[in-house]
Amino acid sequence: QVQLVESGGGVVQPGRSLRLSCAASGFIFRSYGMHWVRQAPGKGLEWVAVIWYDGNNKYYADSVKGRLTISRDNSKNMLYIQMNSLRAEDTAVYYCARDLLGNGGAFDIWGQGTVVTVSS
Amino acid sequence: QSALTQPPSASGSLGQSVTISCTGTSSDVGGYNYVSWYQQHPGKAPKLMIYEVSKRPSGVPDRFSGSKSGNTASLTVSGLQADDEADYYCSSYAGSNNLVFGGGTKLTVL
Repeated sequence: QVQLVESGGGVVQPGRSLRLSCAASGFIFRSYGMHWVRQAPGKGLEWVAVIWYDGNNKYYADSVKGRLTISRDNSKNMLYIQMNSLRAEDTAVYYCARDLLGNGGAFDIWGQGTVVTVSS
Repeated sequence: QSALTQPPSASGSLGQSVTISCTGTSSDVGGYNYVSWYQQHPGKAPKLMIYEVSKRPSGVPDRFSGSKSGNTASLTVSGLQADDEADYYCSSYAGSNNLVFGGGTKLTVL
């Protein structure tokens, strides 16, 4: 079935790095724009980044620009986000999501989320 | 990238209707027909309920409907059921490949 499964979350110290992964299955991964969305504890949803279907265009929220890098490997049906210089405010559940519209922000498939905790 | 404005809470009785608003600006909600609505139950991933202002994905009941007027989008839930009790978030394309979410509305079914 159509599915996204995130992994790679954990507890990390401020200033350190972490890479999250998202494994896609059940659909033609290379045909869809993909996003990362996060949700801090008890807070709302925050859009983080998007990568177009072919990986040639990437865009970021101002809050993560320069520290987080989104990437994909269409041969492996994998989405990634490299998180550097992590801050306490990056603590959140990180979701990967498929964009039904390419880049229009209609997230029709979501993963279960992976928890990132930035703490010393 | 300012968040869209939603009421923190809304409520309605079983079988009744409730409307949740989502207010932005001419740079996001008012400027594009790329408004989406999501339902999120506690501890679960969000679920797409409405996209492109008023379209329903397959499997979403027609009790859920969306609309937009100017810089404000709205989600209406008719025939409220107990399982509709959840958090609801709007989102909008905001130009320059940016997306913005609303702060969320907690819907209580009385």
